[in-house]
Amino acid sequence: KNEVEQSPQNLTAQEGEFITINCSYSVGISALHWLQQHPGGGIVSLFMLSSGKKKHGRLIATINIQEKHSSLHITASHPRDSAVYICAVPHGGATNKLIFGTGTLLAVQP
Amino acid sequence: EPEVTQTPSHQVTQMGQEVILRCVPISNHLYFYWYRQILGQKVEFLVSFYNNEISEKSEIFDDQFSVERPDGSNFTLKIRSTKLEDSAMYFCASRIPPGGYTFGSGTRLTVV
Repeated sequence: KNEVEQSPQNLTAQEGEFITINCSYSVGISALHWLQQHPGGGIVSLFMLSSGKKKHGRLIATINIQEKHSSLHITASHPRDSAVYICAVPHGGATNKLIFGTGTLLAVQP
Repeated sequence: EPEVTQTPSHQVTQMGQEVILRCVPISNHLYFYWYRQILGQKVEFLVSFYNNEISEKSEIFDDQFSVERPDGSNFTLKIRSTKLEDSAMYFCASRIPPGGYTFGSGTRLTVV
């Protein structure tokens, strides 16, 4: 059983659309990470959140600890938002290693 | 903004050869990690390093892998005898609690 599940796996949107990516996890966590991976592979950290909601520009991340669920929203999507969005949770051990979801491949068309 | 730097960005090596992947973490960070991502798969944890020693390692991190932080700045991952299945993107990351992770841009290792 995957400890971190994301949906959808693939998402195509038109420029300007509101986008939601979902993440569910099965382990107890202290915080959840949303990451972005562009073609070419580099990973950028978008959010780390442990409760409620965070906003950065057009990106909004929410988390419900009781339901073990988080969402990443993109408002007014743009082609430059096209990337893989990955949910990851720290789990186990003393060093908070991350367990990653499989990612959501987002393509925003002009 | 401080960055985690990885070199080389791409390395091609012959099966059986040794490779060393290099990382310069953020200077005041305390925890250091290597992750890998096989093409088309999710990112997997390899090893974490704290206080100049391995603090945790995954089942993937067998005897052919080793890590070092030889001079207080560089953090290296060595693969002693590469196999075809070691072909992947390798990411270095660092963090200082309670902050989040900073990832490097990755090294794409191709074993031929």
